Amino acid sequence: NAGVTQTPKFRILKIGQSMTLQCTQDMNHNYMYWYRQDPGMGLKLIYYSVGAGITDKGEVPNGYNVSRSTTEDFPLRLELAAPSQTSVYFCASSLPWNYNSPLHFGNGTRLTVT
Amino acid sequence: EDQVTQSPEALRLQEGESSSLNCSYTVSGLRGLFWYRQDPGKGPEFLFTLYSAGEEKEKERLKATLTKKESFLHITAPKPEDSATYLCAVQVTGANNLFFGTGTRLTVIP
Repeated sequence: NAGVTQTPKFRILKIGQSMTLQCTQDMNHNYMYWYRQDPGMGLKLIYYSVGAGITDKGEVPNGYNVSRSTTEDFPLRLELAAPSQTSVYFCASSLPWNYNSPLHFGNGTRLTVT
Repeated sequence: EDQVTQSPEALRLQEGESSSLNCSYTVSGLRGLFWYRQDPGKGPEFLFTLYSAGEEKEKERLKATLTKKESFLHITAPKPEDSATYLCAVQVTGANNLFFGTGTRLTVIP
């Protein structure tokens, strides 16, 4: 019963490098989300998806890209990493909101850009 | 503008000393209010969802309540293992995500 799995757990990037944060869920949830969490700030939504092939921007999408080719996977791509992208990234999934379903979170990826 | 404010930012309690955490919200239309617990180095863990004013939910030493402007998370006779950050989040009607507060960091001292 893995739930939401994120890899890697930690990563250090140099400015200008790119990387993909991986997220997979085994609960057959349609909805998936990417949040970032910075000290003293609430979780901020980056992108979300309501199903395979459908993605939409959240509050803070600049500098990120996503794709959703399968129900299970929702990778987050960082192009040209910047120090402002130093954060902890959380992936989450849920059933559609009319099911009154809470979000289920992974344990995060801690990213440092130097 | 939709807003969620949690207070206090941090709270230290002696074991057994009951208290409450507050989550006040200003949103255009509330579909649901969620409480999560987050331990260091972990993702948020779901505790409760409340949908209408007057609703209450309980789990072990925790009880969540909801009014039209705020929610309280009451902690009765807390234990050290209750130490964590407690996050409040709202879902606005018609939105496909949760809007989070900044959390209350609770420390329970033996």
